[in-house]
Amino acid sequence: SQQGEEDPQALSIQEGENATMNCSYKTSINNLQWYRQNSGRGLVHLILIRSNEREKHSGRLRVTLDTSKKSSSLLITASRAADTASYFCATDLTSGSRLTFGEGTQLTVNP
Amino acid sequence: KAGVTQTPRYLIKTRGQQVTLSCSPISGHRSVSWYQQTPGQGLQFLFEYFSETQRNKGNFPGRFSGRQFSNSRSEMNVSTLELGDSALYLCASSLPRGASNYGYTFGSGTRLTVV
Repeated sequence: SQQGEEDPQALSIQEGENATMNCSYKTSINNLQWYRQNSGRGLVHLILIRSNEREKHSGRLRVTLDTSKKSSSLLITASRAADTASYFCATDLTSGSRLTFGEGTQLTVNP
Repeated sequence: KAGVTQTPRYLIKTRGQQVTLSCSPISGHRSVSWYQQTPGQGLQFLFEYFSETQRNKGNFPGRFSGRQFSNSRSEMNVSTLELGDSALYLCASSLPRGASNYGYTFGSGTRLTVV
């Protein structure tokens, strides 16, 4: 099964609203990353948060990490129609050298 | 700075044929990973190469193989294609994990359709 699981699977909001996506994982991580994918395209790296960090910001993005609960959240503030995409969390495990992706959250921002 | 380049973008093959996909990483990136993305299975890890050596392999049959060249370019090959191999194949390159700007940079993918 996937290491990371996103919640919700789909989210539909209005422009200007905030969008929150959650990710849970199972084993110890070195870092956790969030990626965005527009339909049928490659993934774009958004933000990386290391296991010793609790919160990170990048523009309108805010990521939190709770290693005790093995969970992370991605908040997009003041969403825009252009934010419509699939968002994936990916865990970089302490053992092993590959990223493992969750199933993604499909975000739709309605103008 | 050029991104990750995958060729071809689209490919249609017949069952039983074989296919080779190519990936040119970002200059300076020595690690290349391949993923298969399908609607049913999501993003599945295929393999990772670093300095021409396969470091990790996912749970795929032996029909899936890959290699990396001395210039870090990578190819993956799928032999005896099956309908279920239809997918978006994504390649990503990265710096070492400890790098300050560590993260995967993905190519646009190769859309393979097996008929």
